[in-house]
Amino acid sequence: NAGVTQTPKFQVLKTGQSMTLQCAQDMNHNSMYWYRQDPGMGLRLIYYSASEGTTDKGEVPNGYNVSRLNKREFSLRLESAAPSQTSVYFCASSGRQGSGTEAFFGQGTRLTVV
Amino acid sequence: AQSVTQLDSHVSVSEGTPVLLRCNYSSSYSPSLFWYVQHPNKGLQLLLKYTSAATLVKGINGFEAEFKKSETSFHLTKPSAHMSDAAEYFCVVSPISGGYNKLIFGAGTRLAVHP
Repeated sequence: NAGVTQTPKFQVLKTGQSMTLQCAQDMNHNSMYWYRQDPGMGLRLIYYSASEGTTDKGEVPNGYNVSRLNKREFSLRLESAAPSQTSVYFCASSGRQGSGTEAFFGQGTRLTVV
Repeated sequence: AQSVTQLDSHVSVSEGTPVLLRCNYSSSYSPSLFWYVQHPNKGLQLLLKYTSAATLVKGINGFEAEFKKSETSFHLTKPSAHMSDAAEYFCVVSPISGGYNKLIFGAGTRLAVHP
């Protein structure tokens, strides 16, 4: 059972380059999320998609865009990478909306922008 | 506004001794609360969750947490630490909100276990 799969696992970009982080889940979940993890700050929500066809900004959306391609896939795009976007990125999904629903996380993408 | 404070950024224990990781939350309503664990270079795994049923919640690997509304706390405990418990632990609050499941993370507590 794959759960949430992210690609790539590691990436190094030069400032100004663009890239797309891919995420897919096989649990038939409605909601999907992108978080970034920085030392001492926990995880912060970048964007989320409550259901197929909808996306909304989270806490730190600047410099990112997302696409909910279908129910399974939710991608995160950096149009012009900056060193401040060096971080570990996690995709997550949850099965229903509302308080009390846990999220399932991918293994993360470690991104370095030089 | 909802928030989560993990009171210790680092905790160090000896193998076989008790573990206490402290978490306080702020929420206008009774929230749902979670503890997640992250082993080095891994994703996050759910340890346990509280969703307004029993205030003492048992999770995986011998961990448990007690919801104390009067103290707005949700501390994580384990009677006897194992070397494999060394990891980073996140306390998470999920406040009541419409439309989607929003998770608010604490900054994390790194647990070291010494032989």
